[in-house]
Amino acid sequence: SQKIEQNSEALNIQEGKTATLTCNYTNYSPAYLQWYRQDPGRGPVFLLLIRENEKEKRKERLKVTFDTTLKQSLFHITASQPADSATYLCALGSSGSARQLTFGSGTQLTVLP
Amino acid sequence: SAVISQKPSRDICQRGTSLTIQCQVDSQVTMMFWYRQQPGQSLTLIATANQGSEATYESGFVIDKFPISRPNLTFSTLTVSNMSPEDSSIYLCSVLEVNNEKLFFGSGTQLSVL
Repeated sequence: SQKIEQNSEALNIQEGKTATLTCNYTNYSPAYLQWYRQDPGRGPVFLLLIRENEKEKRKERLKVTFDTTLKQSLFHITASQPADSATYLCALGSSGSARQLTFGSGTQLTVLP
Repeated sequence: SAVISQKPSRDICQRGTSLTIQCQVDSQVTMMFWYRQQPGQSLTLIATANQGSEATYESGFVIDKFPISRPNLTFSTLTVSNMSPEDSSIYLCSVLEVNNEKLFFGSGTQLSVL
């Protein structure tokens, strides 16, 4: 069955460092992969989408890589700030419908001042 | 981007009762979904709310337990029926941005069943 694994442990890093979050998947050939941010008591907020034919995507301090051979995506936040503290979810999608979107359980990131 | 208002934001309910959650979108959307997020778990899709027809339920979810209404393209409700403590969870509505596969979410309803 399809399986998505994100960093099992919460991640604590020092302000100014680069945070790297991992999303691994098995038994899946996604057409695209997304990253969302979720704050406590709030719904997830879309951050980035990367397609299977793309290796890397950037948006301001965020960078996502997608390696379909390793079946892995890495999500980087450079020059991290305490405001970046949140839970980050990866989601894999098939072409055609967001109904096919499958979410990981998320990684809780804390950026220490 | 769509703005989604979801209410109530939280509720504490007694076993055996029902709760209806409302989701209002500030624009007309074709695709609207209901998710459940249990503590420490990933989001699980309950159903797709179809305008003018019955919702499409995912495996493990049935209409009798989670009836859904979608009277128009901006509004939907999810009812959690005959609740038990196992239904304690966060319930989220979401809409799909056309041509982009991007989901927008409401702020969620935190449900606790005693």
